[in-house]
Amino acid sequence: GENVEQHPSTLSVQEGDSAVIKCTYSDSASNYFPWYKQELGKRPQLIIDIRSNVGEKKDQRIAVTLNKTAKHFSLHITETQPEDSAVYFCAASKNDYKLSFGAGTTVTVRA
Amino acid sequence: EAGVAQSPRYKIIEKRQSVAFWCNPISGHATLYWYQQILGQGPKLLIQFQNNGVVDDSQLPKDRFSAERLKGVDSTLKIQPAKLEDSAVYLCASTVLAGVNEQFFGPGTRLTVL
Repeated sequence: GENVEQHPSTLSVQEGDSAVIKCTYSDSASNYFPWYKQELGKRPQLIIDIRSNVGEKKDQRIAVTLNKTAKHFSLHITETQPEDSAVYFCAASKNDYKLSFGAGTTVTVRA
Repeated sequence: EAGVAQSPRYKIIEKRQSVAFWCNPISGHATLYWYQQILGQGPKLLIQFQNNGVVDDSQLPKDRFSAERLKGVDSTLKIQPAKLEDSAVYLCASTVLAGVNEQFFGPGTRLTVL
């Protein structure tokens, strides 16, 4: 089955700086890569996703890049704000079926 | 639109006891998922339903876990008997159809097995 590895496990950044989270996947047939944000005690919520026919996608301060050859994808958050503090999960799937999640990255934005 | 509903939100039981969780997906969502999220880990899929049929239950520990979605709407997940390692948050998610974009998650049920 699909194996998704996520790094780093924790990330502390100064407010206004950028944060980058990286994930690798094992199944070259995976073609859908969502990112979820989970605030403490709350449900995971989709923040951005990318499909294998696209190399990069951006939504305001959030961007995701995908390198199919290397089987890795990354989340970039620019101009971080305190409300960006949360746990971020990457995931991968084939044809939007079973999502395999990474272990998560705890992001702390220092004021 | 209303989100995915789950109950109870918290449950504490002794090992070897039984427990059941309930999920009501977003109206019109044909696909329903149950995930187990152990503290400090990402969600792990336990079972996926398409309407009232099981699509994938390969990671469901069938000797103690069971799930049903009899009318293709609400779903229940049961653990019998519970073990200490079952302590986790159980998340339900739904999507219009598998293969179509975002999975919407419920608030989860936090299970503690003592």
